Amino acid sequence: AQTVTQSQPEMSVQEAETVTLSCTYDTSENNYYLFWYKQPPSRQMILVIRQEAYKQQNATENRFSVNFQKAAKSFSLKISDSQLGDTAMYFCAFMKPGGSEKLVFGKGTKLTVNP
Amino acid sequence: KAGVTQTPRYLIKTRGQQVTLSCSPISGHRSVSWYQQTPGQGLQFLFEYFSETQRNKGNFPGRFSGRQFSNSRSEMNVSTLELGDSALYLCASSLRRAVRTGELFFGEGSRLTVL
Repeated sequence: AQTVTQSQPEMSVQEAETVTLSCTYDTSENNYYLFWYKQPPSRQMILVIRQEAYKQQNATENRFSVNFQKAAKSFSLKISDSQLGDTAMYFCAFMKPGGSEKLVFGKGTKLTVNP
Repeated sequence: KAGVTQTPRYLIKTRGQQVTLSCSPISGHRSVSWYQQTPGQGLQFLFEYFSETQRNKGNFPGRFSGRQFSNSRSEMNVSTLELGDSALYLCASSLRRAVRTGELFFGEGSRLTVL
């Protein structure tokens, strides 16, 4: 079974600075999808960024980028120019290819952006 | 376009009772999945439905059940409630295209408290 580990339960960063959230996973699959989801205090979870394992290029979405190290099974999220609105729980998630869209989530990292 | 709608948002039950939660997916989305979120266990997959058929089920007891209707709306039911069932129950929908993006759209959740 796949597992996802986020080793940082809480982190804080000053506004406009850069922060990196860590995620490692365990799988025997060769192809899969990895995600970072954000859950603000209002609780609606939204997708931040997605990476397909067969793509070597790291995904980037505006201020959000990932460092995907397939051999190390590592998938970290970098947030540049942090904004107050980035304050949220961040969940790393794994999905294996096939018929199901089941996501396996890490326990999450609570990020606080301080003014 | 309306998002994923979950009702009720909050509810309080006592041990031994049963509860039904409802989820209306985004218009056009045919796949619905459910997750249980607790501080201790994090986000855990409950089940996934597509075209009124359960496609996948998580490791939960038989007290947890669900169904999907022809209009893609979904309900989940928990019978003989236990204190440990207190949680935020999240519903997510997706288009479930042939080429999967893996992006799930989440509702704000139903907060269940069992006394």
